[in-house]
Amino acid sequence: NAGVTQTPKFRVLKTGQSMTLLCAQDMNHEYMYWYRQDPGMGLRLIHYSVGEGTTAKGEVPDGYNVSRLKKQNFLLGLESAAPSQTSVYFCASSSSGRSGEQYFGPGTRLTVT
Amino acid sequence: GEDVEQSLFLSVREGDSSVINCTYTDSSSTYLYWYKQEPGAGLQLLTYIFSNMDMKQDQRLTVLLNKKDKHLSLRIADTQTGDSAIYFCAENPGGYQKVTFGIGTKLQVIP
Repeated sequence: NAGVTQTPKFRVLKTGQSMTLLCAQDMNHEYMYWYRQDPGMGLRLIHYSVGEGTTAKGEVPDGYNVSRLKKQNFLLGLESAAPSQTSVYFCASSSSGRSGEQYFGPGTRLTVT
Repeated sequence: GEDVEQSLFLSVREGDSSVINCTYTDSSSTYLYWYKQEPGAGLQLLTYIFSNMDMKQDQRLTVLLNKKDKHLSLRIADTQTGDSAIYFCAENPGGYQKVTFGIGTKLQVIP
C-alpha cells in the first residue's frame, strides 16, 4: 500500500496564478483532509470531506476550493495564488471508525512569489 | 474552546528518557494522539489513547493520560538520535470530527 500520496512535491507560483494539488489514498478511507503548516502555527485545517461528493470548510478555507469526485482522491485548488498562501500543504485521510486517527501524505511545499 | 498546548523544544542526551508534555482543554476529547514529523516529511502516527485509559505502552513509548488535569505525556525510553523530530499532540472528540493539533515539540537528541 502506498498510503497517502501527494503531487506535486514542490511548486513555485507567481501571484495570481492557479494550481491544483492532488491527494490520493489507497486505504479506502471515507474521510479526507487538507491542512497547511506554517512556522509557529502548527497545522490548520483548510477543508475536509466525509465522503465522495461532499466537502466542508475547515479553519482557514478562504482562497481555496476542493473537490472529491472519487473516494480515493481529494483535490485542493488555488484559483488566484497570493504570497500568504506560501506554506507546506498536507493531505490526510481517516477511516469511519471511532478512533479517527489520520494518516498523512508527505506534503507539498508551495512558494508564491 | 479547543486548544492544545506543548512546549516548543526539548533537548536530551542519547540513551536518556525523553518526556514530552501536552495539555488540552476540550473535555469532550475521546481520543488523544501523538504524531512524529521528521524533517521534510509528513506526520507519522506514533500512538493514540482512548480517554478511558490512563496509560498505554508500546515498546519504547509510554503514553500517560491525566483526565482530571487534561494532561497528556509521551515518554520515549532509551532515546536515540533517530528520535530527533517534531512531536505533535492532538485531540479528537471522535470519528471525523475536527482534530486539533498542538504546535509541536522539537526533540533534539545529543549524541
